[in-house]
Amino acid sequence: GESVGLHLPTLSVQEGDNSIINCAYSNSASDYFIWYKQESGKGPQFIIDIRSNMDKRQGQRVTVLLNKTVKHLSLQIAATQPGDSAVYFCAENLNSGYALNFGKGTSLLVTP
Amino acid sequence: NAGVTQTPKFRVLKTGQSMTLLCAQDMNHEYMYWYRQDPGMGLRLIHYSVGEGTTAKGEVPDGYNVSRLKKQNFLLGLESAAPSQTSVYFCASSSPLLPAGTQYFGPGTRLLVL
Repeated sequence: GESVGLHLPTLSVQEGDNSIINCAYSNSASDYFIWYKQESGKGPQFIIDIRSNMDKRQGQRVTVLLNKTVKHLSLQIAATQPGDSAVYFCAENLNSGYALNFGKGTSLLVTP
Repeated sequence: NAGVTQTPKFRVLKTGQSMTLLCAQDMNHEYMYWYRQDPGMGLRLIHYSVGEGTTAKGEVPDGYNVSRLKKQNFLLGLESAAPSQTSVYFCASSSPLLPAGTQYFGPGTRLLVL
């Protein structure tokens, strides 16, 4: 069943603004989370990951925050660009690396 | 370095027909996966393989079979296609040398079953 979900199916932001995409999970035993980006007509692409022993991890223009108390994680994109328009999926890692459990995705639309 | 490739890109089948989807990767990855993606849904794992000659069931394996005869190839078979198998199929690969969630995906195969 669905144990990883996103709060909003769509998010519209203006170019240059910061974007925040949220995700909730239900399995308290989950210890590893990943964000993927899927552009139209393409396969998902790895963005950033975080382990449960961390609260925050930063990449290039992206930051993932993990709140284990409320089983919530978020993806923050700084200075959102048109090229960031895509569907974003959070996923939890299962079975020590063999499988990913994906949420349903949030569609991010960046407007000029 | 092509990464992960899938053939065909698009296929239309009639109910009851069979077909095989081919996935190939040139990154020497040990692990390979088949997912399906339905509208408004995330990806769901069908089958996966942790090495040549080994396969295992994922979340939604019914109606599908797989084979991993060569390390670089992972085949997904539909013996008797059903309209419920209309979906976009993604293959992915990964390596135990990479972070556990780092999977490389192919471009997908769109399958329509009439």
